[in-house]
Amino acid sequence: AQSVTQLGSHVSVSEGALVLLRCNYSSSVPPYLFWYVQYPNQGLQLLLKYTSAATLVKGINGFEAEFKKSETSFHLTKPSAHMSDAAEYFCAVRGVNNNDMRFGAGTRLTVKP
Amino acid sequence: DARVTQTPRDKVTEMGQEVTMRCQPILGHNTVFWYRQTMMQGLELLAYFRNRAPLDDSGMPKDRFSAEMPDATLATLKIQPSEPRDSAVYFCASGLGGPNTGELFFGEGSRLTVL
Repeated sequence: AQSVTQLGSHVSVSEGALVLLRCNYSSSVPPYLFWYVQYPNQGLQLLLKYTSAATLVKGINGFEAEFKKSETSFHLTKPSAHMSDAAEYFCAVRGVNNNDMRFGAGTRLTVKP
Repeated sequence: DARVTQTPRDKVTEMGQEVTMRCQPILGHNTVFWYRQTMMQGLELLAYFRNRAPLDDSGMPKDRFSAEMPDATLATLKIQPSEPRDSAVYFCASGLGGPNTGELFFGEGSRLTVL
């Protein structure tokens, strides 16, 4: 079964600095991959998704992620952090046969002024 | 504005009581998922449905939890009897099954506290 591992439960950056949140997947075939964001007391919102089209995926709020099959990675980046980016970020994987979606443990992003 | 609707948003109950959480998926979506979120375990998949049929409920404690879809516009998650360890936020999510889709849309969750 597919799974994802998020490296780092907490990441802290300064406002304006690069954001890099790491995600590695485990799957026998390239799966569908997703990044979601969760703000306090809210549900999860989709940031971006990879579904076997372009390997560099652009999402909302200036985030992007690159699918690297050789590294089984799907890291999330943003060139310049904003205070409003402070939230919990989840990487998720879903098989191409569209069965269950599994989430990583999450990474809490803190943005310092 | 299409969205997944969950009720109740907050529920406080006493151990042993029955709890029912409801979810209205986005109209036209044919897959519904239930997740439980806690600090210790993160997001756990409890069960999911496609076209109202349960595909997998292996993540659910079978002795006390049950999930159903009485119709395409309603999914329910029931706990009977509830226990303090069931305290968590329960999320419902819906989506479209099929290629080149795959994303899920989440409700705002039902926060359950069992005393």
